[in-house]
Amino acid sequence: DTAVSQTPKYLVTQMGNDKSIKCEQNLGHDTMYWYKQDSKKFLKIMFSYNNKELIINETVPNRFSPKSPDKAHLNLHINSLELGDSAVYFCASSQYIGNTIYFGEGSWLTVV
Amino acid sequence: AQRVTQPEKLLSVFKGAPVELKCNYSYSGSPELFWYVQYSRQRLQLLLRHISRESIKGFTADLNKGETSFHLKKPFAQEEDSAMYYCALKDSGTYKYIFGTGTRLKVLA
Repeated sequence: DTAVSQTPKYLVTQMGNDKSIKCEQNLGHDTMYWYKQDSKKFLKIMFSYNNKELIINETVPNRFSPKSPDKAHLNLHINSLELGDSAVYFCASSQYIGNTIYFGEGSWLTVV
Repeated sequence: AQRVTQPEKLLSVFKGAPVELKCNYSYSGSPELFWYVQYSRQRLQLLLRHISRESIKGFTADLNKGETSFHLKKPFAQEEDSAMYYCALKDSGTYKYIFGTGTRLKVLA
């Protein structure tokens, strides 16, 4: 009964490839997020969706495109992967924007 | 600008010793502050929030508006406390969470 689940947990891919990370929450929350944790453990928000609508879009390259087919899912698609994209990507959700955030287990992306 | 600073990247203490993980913030309004913990290869979990003034796993944190600090304390560290700890501030205007860079706590036997 995992609350926020994301797949895959580990992903190793070559530069230039396109990959997606999927996220699903079964908490009935309205708001979902993608965070990036870099090699120095710095955690930064990338995107936030509320009821399938984009509400936060930080300065992220447009190679990153989130998609929310419904409020329980927020997928992250990355085009033309670069070495610097290697990081842990955390999906998260909250009941409403501004409420306590619940994180997924993270997806370790390594670009070689 | 809103900012959360955790000055220590790594803090090592012996089991049974007191722990204090420092967090300072910069925020123009009335802040809402949190501590999140990340055990090895696990998800970030909410540890505590200042508004609830609770003690979780023996940890407490008091908001000091004068010093703009929200330090996390525990009187007697346990080995299972070893983890990454993130201080976070919620911007009441944008509702964005701003995280510090984290402090790795190592509790030595």
